[in-house]
Amino acid sequence: EDQVTQSPEALRLQEGESSSLNCSYTVSGLRGLFWYRQDPGKGPEFLFTLYSAGEEKEKERLKATLTKKESFLHITAPKPEDSATYLCAVQGGSRLTFGEGTQLTVNP
Amino acid sequence: NAGVTQTPKFQVLKTGQSMTLQCAQDMNHNSMYWYRQDPGMGLRLIYYSASEGTTDKGEVPNGYNVSRLNKREFSLRLESAAPSQTSVYFCASSITWGQKLFFGSGTQLSVL
Repeated sequence: EDQVTQSPEALRLQEGESSSLNCSYTVSGLRGLFWYRQDPGKGPEFLFTLYSAGEEKEKERLKATLTKKESFLHITAPKPEDSATYLCAVQGGSRLTFGEGTQLTVNP
Repeated sequence: NAGVTQTPKFQVLKTGQSMTLQCAQDMNHNSMYWYRQDPGMGLRLIYYSASEGTTDKGEVPNGYNVSRLNKREFSLRLESAAPSQTSVYFCASSITWGQKLFFGSGTQLSVL
């Protein structure tokens, strides 16, 4: 059975304090690893797709990386508007499995 | 460009009542999905439609039915609501199965 575990559950940062979110996974036949951002009261919004170990993608202050067992979402010099819940999901052969998310709060 | 539109945004039902959640997308996507989101459980797939004319069960289909009305619309029906179905429901779509998802803004459903 495919599994996704995200850590930490919650993270508080000061504005400008860089950090990383972790997504550990087990899947039979990885077809893609997805990162989404979810703001309170809204649906998740797509950020990145990673397909193979060693792949990296960047968008503004966010950088996603992938190994054979985990993915990291690095946040460089975060701003208060980066506060949200970040979801990781893995696409196996027949299903997409979501983690429970990391709730990020960036204080000014 | 509206993307994925869900109605209603909020709904309160009594146990045993029925209702239909509506979803429409204007991106010409082939695949559509219904998820529920509960605290501590993450997003779980209820039903999906990989392409127009097909529907399949997801992880938690019991108590639900779906209809892919046409390429744009995918509805979710609760025939006899139960308190365990209290949740936030999201509709999503993708170009094809397995590609990135575009989500609606959700329906918060309470069953008393």
